[in-house]
Amino acid sequence: DQQVKQNSPSLSVQEGRISILNCDYTNSMFDYFLWYKKYPAEGPTFLISISSIKDKNEDGRFTVFLNKSAKHLSLHIVPSQPGDSAVYFCAAIDNAGGTSYGKLTFGQGTILTVHP
Amino acid sequence: GAGVSQTPSNKVTEKGKYVELRCDPISGHTALYWYRQSLGQGPEFLIYFQGTGAADDSGLPNDRFFAVRPEGSVSTLKIQRTERGDSAVYLCASSPQGYGLINEQFFGPGTRLTVL
Repeated sequence: DQQVKQNSPSLSVQEGRISILNCDYTNSMFDYFLWYKKYPAEGPTFLISISSIKDKNEDGRFTVFLNKSAKHLSLHIVPSQPGDSAVYFCAAIDNAGGTSYGKLTFGQGTILTVHP
Repeated sequence: GAGVSQTPSNKVTEKGKYVELRCDPISGHTALYWYRQSLGQGPEFLIYFQGTGAADDSGLPNDRFFAVRPEGSVSTLKIQRTERGDSAVYLCASSPQGYGLINEQFFGPGTRLTVL
């Protein structure tokens, strides 16, 4: 049972344009969401997160949007740069009212390619 | 370096053999996690340590898998009687604290296990 889903295996974008990566989840107990970025032969690195009490969080070129009613979140990268080419994972945590230890449930990942 | 390190980076073994995978977390991090990433999938949770104790081992697929963290620092994931289906990248992550706070998890580069 895939509780976090990234239905687009890959995305190709021109440099300077917007990249939009999507993620859906089924577990209504998830209340904290994260995006991780992964380069080949490296571990995932944290990019940006959002709590379920918010609908938007912005950090430089990266913005995450959360639609709780639709159980959907998206990551926007503007403007996209060739160095952004990587695999992007959406992840979720059931924070259980602040008692969670941070166990991450990941989506399958989306390969982003930004062309110069 | 100051990041999470994992050894070996690659391990090739034969079906039925025993393997040990090592993780050196960031110094001072009390929380340690093991994840497994199969081809084309996102990382899947295996086990979580808070200090020396395994606080949640619900992700271990069966009793062939075992992990220890005897001194609350280095952890070893042990797999007995390996099967071809165990082939994956095994990721280790650490964070400053587990329960009650959402802390960034810092991932190591992973160990790629191939069972022939």
